[in-house]
Amino acid sequence: RKEVEQDPGPFNVPEGATVAFNCTYSNSASQSFFWYRQDCRKEPKLLMSVYSSGNEDGRFTAQLNRASQYISLLIRDSKLSDSATYLCVVKRGSGYALNFGKGTSLLVTP
Amino acid sequence: NAGVTQTPKFQVLKTGQSMTLQCAQDMNHNSMYWYRQDPGMGLRLIYYSASEGTTDKGEVPNGYNVSRLNKREFSLRLESAAPSQTSVYFCASRRGHTNTGELFFGEGSRLTVL
Repeated sequence: RKEVEQDPGPFNVPEGATVAFNCTYSNSASQSFFWYRQDCRKEPKLLMSVYSSGNEDGRFTAQLNRASQYISLLIRDSKLSDSATYLCVVKRGSGYALNFGKGTSLLVTP
Repeated sequence: NAGVTQTPKFQVLKTGQSMTLQCAQDMNHNSMYWYRQDPGMGLRLIYYSASEGTTDKGEVPNGYNVSRLNKREFSLRLESAAPSQTSVYFCASRRGHTNTGELFFGEGSRLTVL
């Protein structure tokens, strides 16, 4: 079983819609969680870290459920510019490696 | 603001040829990483270097070698390229091993092995 799993999508949503992505991780020792965004043929960039109490950054809300080993990303009022692939990233408490999910593709249409 | 710089950006090799991908960061980061990204497979860690002078295997190290030349530079070498190594390679760096440290990526190197 892959350490980080995501629904690959694609998610096609109209502008203004709310969309949610889910991610599960298999290693209960994982301690750090992130969402990265990757535009087509570009490098991944950090979108936001995910904190235990949940956190929000503008239209983006991230949630963590340690008991279920589940992370989510909610995007409200989708914009055309939100079209990208969203990567769930998990780091174990020890060690240096960050493990990436395969990504969820989002296409926001006019 | 250079950040993480990778060279070359594109390369075509024949099976059996060797090459080195170069990576340099100017952010004084301690940790550096090499990932490969293939369609449907996501990003997979090849090797990483927690600090100058140390390197460790990641998820898919076979067929690759790395050198942490100094704090700035981390190179990836393919000794005898195979078609299965056709991929997009990303170098990344991170300040340290703290849990909140952001990973910064280079623009990627697109390698085709014929």
